Amino acid sequence: EIVLTQSPATLSVSPGESVTLSCRASQSVHNFLAWYQQKPGQAPRLIIHEASIRATGIPARFTGGGSGTDFTLTIGSLEPEDVGVYYCQHRGDWPLTFGGGTKVEIK
Amino acid sequence: EVQLVESGGGLVRPGGSLRLSCAASGFTFSTYSMNWVRQAPGKGLEWISYISSGSTSIFYADSVKGRFTISRDNAKNSLFLHMNNLRDDDTAVYYCASDRRSGWPDNFFGSWGQGTRVEVSS
Repeated sequence: EIVLTQSPATLSVSPGESVTLSCRASQSVHNFLAWYQQKPGQAPRLIIHEASIRATGIPARFTGGGSGTDFTLTIGSLEPEDVGVYYCQHRGDWPLTFGGGTKVEIK
Repeated sequence: EVQLVESGGGLVRPGGSLRLSCAASGFTFSTYSMNWVRQAPGKGLEWISYISSGSTSIFYADSVKGRFTISRDNAKNSLFLHMNNLRDDDTAVYYCASDRRSGWPDNFFGSWGQGTRVEVSS
C-alpha cells in the first residue's frame, strides 16, 4: 500500500498570503496524484489532478506541482473561502489512498 | 448538472447489515466508474471500493474486503454498497464518488454526493 504523508497538519494564514501544502508518497506515484478541498460540513471537491492540472472551475490561485514522491499544492493568495481541509490522493496502485489532510485556517 | 444522492444510512448494531444506495443523474452513469469513500467522525478520507462502468472490475480496501459488496444497476443509474458484519469502526459518512472522466477511468474522484451517515453501535 502506498502511504501518503501530508504536512503540516495545520496551517494558519492571513488572507492574501501564499501557502504551500506538502504531500509525500512512500514510493513513486509518477504524476498520478490529485488534491481535494473539503470545506466544513461539505463533501470533498477535486481541485488538482495529474499533480498539476486544475479541475474545471478551479481558480488560478491553486497550483499543483511535483512528481515521483514529492508534491505540493500552493494557494497563491489565500481567500477566506479557501479554509478547509486539503487531501492528496494517489492512483498509482490499488488500494487508492489519501493523505491524512492539512487543515488551512484563517489567522 | 451532475447529482449523486446517497441513501440508506442509519444506526445498526455490531454484526448487522445495511445497504447503501447512490442515485445518479445529470450524466451518462453507465460510462463512468464509481467508488465509495468513507470518512469516520473527525477523521480523514478512506477509499473503500471501486466498480468499473460495466461491473467487470471491482476492488476493495482490505478493511472491508469480504464484508462489503459493491454493485451497480446502469439501467436505474444506481450504485449500491451492501455492508455485512458491521463493526464499530465502520461508523462513518459514506460518499459515492464518480470517476473524473467517462470511458477509461483515471481513478480520481470528479463528483461526490453529500454522503449518508452510518453509525454502528450497540
